[in-house]
Amino acid sequence: QKEVEQDPGPLSVPEGAIVSLNCTYSNSAFQYFMWYRQYSRKGPELLMYTYSSGNKEDGRFTAQVDKSSKYISLFIRDSQPSDSATYLCAMRNQAGTALIFGKGTTLSVSS
Amino acid sequence: DSGVTQTPKHLITATGQRVTLRCSPRSGDLSVYWYQQSLDQGLQFLIQYYNGEERAKGNILERFSAQQFPDLHSELNLSSLELGDSALYFCASSVTTGGDTEAFFGQGTRLTVV
Repeated sequence: QKEVEQDPGPLSVPEGAIVSLNCTYSNSAFQYFMWYRQYSRKGPELLMYTYSSGNKEDGRFTAQVDKSSKYISLFIRDSQPSDSATYLCAMRNQAGTALIFGKGTTLSVSS
Repeated sequence: DSGVTQTPKHLITATGQRVTLRCSPRSGDLSVYWYQQSLDQGLQFLIQYYNGEERAKGNILERFSAQQFPDLHSELNLSSLELGDSALYFCASSVTTGGDTEAFFGQGTRLTVV
């Protein structure tokens, strides 16, 4: 079992839809949770960062962490064609240094 | 622009050859991480350097090595290249290795081994 599991999709939605992206993980030591967005042939860029459990909101993006279920989510409201990209979840434990990534979910938003 | 610079952007080389990938971290960042991204494996952590010293190792092959220089730029050396080494190689940097969680990625080097 991989440490971080993420459904690769692809996920196709119409403009304006609410998108839900998810990851599960097996390592209970993970404390820091991140979502990165990667456009084709570009480097990943940090979207959201959450420490431990709870929710965090930034504009149209909301990140949720449920440590009891080892489950994290990213919600995108009012999705736009410019949101079309691959979304990668990443996490690390408190003492560790390297981010462990999910394989990424490819999202396509059509206008 | 993340502030992390990687060169070259593209590299095509033959099996058995050796290549060097270069990374300049963001100004002030002491940590450099190298990742390999392939279609089937996703982003895999290879190795981390902090202020010139190796800090952590991931799934890095013995044919691969890295170093970080006094000016904090880093190089990833890949030798005896195989077709399966074809991938995107990313460098990321961050300020510290402890509680800091924000790692900023470069645009990557696309390596094609033929």
